Amino acid sequence: AQSVTQLGSHVSVSEGALVLLRCNYSSSVPPYLFWYVQYPNQGLQLLLKYTSAATLVKGINDFEAEFKKSETSFHLTKPSAHMSDAAEYFCAVNNNDMRFGAGTRLTVKP
Amino acid sequence: NAGVTQTPKFQVLKTGQSMTLQCAQDMNHNSMYWYRQDPGMGLRLIYYSASEGTTDKGEVPNGYNVSRLNKREFSLRLESAAPSQTSVYFCASRTGGGLDVKFFGPGTRLTVL
Repeated sequence: AQSVTQLGSHVSVSEGALVLLRCNYSSSVPPYLFWYVQYPNQGLQLLLKYTSAATLVKGINDFEAEFKKSETSFHLTKPSAHMSDAAEYFCAVNNNDMRFGAGTRLTVKP
Repeated sequence: NAGVTQTPKFQVLKTGQSMTLQCAQDMNHNSMYWYRQDPGMGLRLIYYSASEGTTDKGEVPNGYNVSRLNKREFSLRLESAAPSQTSVYFCASRTGGGLDVKFFGPGTRLTVL
């Protein structure tokens, strides 16, 4: 069975600070991993995905995530937070079907 | 392209009532999905359709039925709504290749009293 765990349901950072959202996965086979973002009252949008090519994956809006097999992690980072990054972020794993984490709400303080 | 559209955007039902949530995509995608989103639980797959004419159960199918009417449309039906089905429902679609579910609809917020 595959699953993801997102550590921290809420993360708050100051504008310009580093963003780090944590995701750990469990999968019996090499996983495909994804990060999605959801802005208020909208559906989910794909930020980036890992599909066994490069372990450091770059996505939209300067987000990136690094696949670390030894740590079973796929944490999402952004060097400098912007107010517009405030949203809910979901990590997901997909082998036969896609399983989502519970989500992390990111707040950006001015 | 409108992408993935869902109707209605909001709905309030009484326990025991029935309703159908509509979803359509204009991207010629093969696969379509219905998810529900609940606080602290992320998105959970209710049903999916890998191609026109096929449907399969997901993680939480009980209390729901689906119809893949044609390649564009995938509806979700609640035959006898229960308060536990209060949720936000998202439809999604993707092409046959690749493993990511790229395109989500705007969601339907359903309250069952």
